[in-house]
Amino acid sequence: GIQVEQSPPDLILQEGANSTLRCNFSDSVNNLQWFHQNPWGQLINLFYIPSGTKQNGRLSATTVATERYSLLYISSSQTTDSGVYFCAVDNQGGKLIFGQGTELSVKP
Amino acid sequence: DGGITQSPKYLFRKEGQNVTLSCEQNLNHDAMYWYRQDPGQGLRLIYYSQIVNDFQKGDIAEGYSVSREKKESFPLTVTSAQKNPTAFYLCASSIAWSTTSGGQFFGPGTRLTVL
Repeated sequence: GIQVEQSPPDLILQEGANSTLRCNFSDSVNNLQWFHQNPWGQLINLFYIPSGTKQNGRLSATTVATERYSLLYISSSQTTDSGVYFCAVDNQGGKLIFGQGTELSVKP
Repeated sequence: DGGITQSPKYLFRKEGQNVTLSCEQNLNHDAMYWYRQDPGQGLRLIYYSQIVNDFQKGDIAEGYSVSREKKESFPLTVTSAQKNPTAFYLCASSIAWSTTSGGQFFGPGTRLTVL
């Protein structure tokens, strides 16, 4: 089945810094989503981005489907950005396959 | 206020007992899903339902059962046959079982602990 790898596994930032999270996948996909899991466990949808570029405030994402990767950019990070960021893909109709996540800690 | 609700938030169970986790959505979504998350891991699919009165096994269905009698409800039963049931359980829904449906949306989760 399709493999999803996220990097880096852990990231520590000072408040105000920028960061880039990467998601590589091993096969063509029809769907790619980025999620933020907050400290209480809630999974929050960030982007539905099977291809192209999207922006939402300080966050933006780019998926290059032909090269099988996606990037999540976080600018001017805040302590509330802390948590785990997951990339998930599917190529079988509706079954999402999740990466292991990137754990982000933003220090004040 | 549209969304997905799960109850209870925390659940404690003795070994050998079955327990049912609730998932309700008022988004009018056709498809619903159950995932399991273990500490430090991503999510794994337990069961999914493309439409009411239909459901399919996911990647780790052993020891679990589901029903989908109503569009808005997709309860998950963790049976005594599940060997390691302690985990965080997340329910999700999407407009349709389709790759262009806009993605899946998640409830707040239930933390199950077996004592």
